[in-house]
Amino acid sequence: KQEVTQIPAALSVPEGENLVLNCSFTDSAIYNLQWFRQDPGKGLTSLLLIQSSQREQTSGRLNASLDKSSGRSTLYIAASQPGDSATYLCAVATDSWGKLQFGAGTQVVVTP
Amino acid sequence: GAVVSQHPSWVICKSGTSVKIECRSLDFQATTMFWYRQFPKQSLMLMATSNEGSKATYEQGVEKDKFLINHASLTLSTLTVTSAHPEDSSFYICSGYPRTGTYEQYFGPGTRLTVT
Repeated sequence: KQEVTQIPAALSVPEGENLVLNCSFTDSAIYNLQWFRQDPGKGLTSLLLIQSSQREQTSGRLNASLDKSSGRSTLYIAASQPGDSATYLCAVATDSWGKLQFGAGTQVVVTP
Repeated sequence: GAVVSQHPSWVICKSGTSVKIECRSLDFQATTMFWYRQFPKQSLMLMATSNEGSKATYEQGVEKDKFLINHASLTLSTLTVTSAHPEDSSFYICSGYPRTGTYEQYFGPGTRLTVT
């Protein structure tokens, strides 16, 4: 059974610092990996999707890497801003229908 | 990105009644949609996979007679919580992805259900 772990569970950084969020998964047979952002009481916003054949994806200040063989993904957020404060979730697609297995999330606080 | 809506955004109902939650893909067609529930301070747990025109597939431990899912069209899936009880109080979120594309999933804003 696929298990997804996110470390750390919580992170607080001053504005301007780079953020590094880690995600690990136990079964390397994944179809893709997605990073999401969730604000309190809200749904999820898709940040980046990495296909199983890809090594990384970039969007603006965000960069995500994927190492399937070691079961790891890392989300980098450059020059953090207070508006980046949220919970970040990673999820792996475990079948061809796109069924997602989520990690518990990393709660990020960026202080001004 | 693609947009998914949910209605209602929050609902309060009495124990024993049924509640229907709608999930709509506004600008894409979704053959497959997913329903999740999320308890406070916890991550999302997949409840079921909803396929247009066929029966939903439920995850282990999810009562299919209690959580009725209907995916009647390529843009609408509904979740009905039947005979709701206080332990069904939760945040319910749906997601879907365009039929053609990368399988990138788009999530609705969620529905907060409180059963009194």
